Amino acid sequence: KQEVTQIPAALSVPEGENLVLNCSFTDSAIYNLQWFRQDPGKGLTSLLLIQSSQREQTSGRLNASLDKSSGRSTLYIAASQPGDSATYLCAVRRGTGFQKLVFGTGTRLLVSP
Amino acid sequence: EAGVAQSPRYKIIEKRQSVAFWCNPISGHATLYWYQQILGQGPKLLIQFQNNGVVDDSQLPKDRFSAERLKGVDSTLKIQPAKLEDSAVYLCASSPRAGGNEQFFGPGTRLTVL
Repeated sequence: KQEVTQIPAALSVPEGENLVLNCSFTDSAIYNLQWFRQDPGKGLTSLLLIQSSQREQTSGRLNASLDKSSGRSTLYIAASQPGDSATYLCAVRRGTGFQKLVFGTGTRLLVSP
Repeated sequence: EAGVAQSPRYKIIEKRQSVAFWCNPISGHATLYWYQQILGQGPKLLIQFQNNGVVDDSQLPKDRFSAERLKGVDSTLKIQPAKLEDSAVYLCASSPRAGGNEQFFGPGTRLTVL
């Protein structure tokens, strides 16, 4: 059974800092991994998706890496801003077709001005 | 393009009562998902529909939860009777096709069972 863990559970940083969020999964037989953002009272927004054959993906100030063999992914946020405050979730998919997403427990990020 | 709509946004009920949630996916999306997100945890898939057929309901507590997607468009999720541990946010998502990388999520319904 796939289990996904995220560390830390919560993180508080001053504006401008670079930060790293961690995601680990127990079964390395994944099809892809996705990072989501969740704002209070709102649904999830997809940030980055990494296929199992890829090592990293970048979007603006966000960079996600994947080490499938060790069961780890990191989300790097450069020059953090107060607007980055949210909960960040990673999720893995085992395969194509009807394979479901398995989510991690999330990291709650607070960026203070 | 309109997003995934859910209603109600909030619901408070007593234990043993019944409750129903409604979801309208993005137009044309064949796949619809219901997730349960307990406070402090990640979303857990309850049921997945492909058009109006169920493809995965392995984590749906079938003794009290039921869901349907008539005509392959909108969907309802029902809990009868509710328990205290059902307090959670219920998220609906849709995607254009099964296994599609992009799942679009609604704002969720926050259920509190007293």
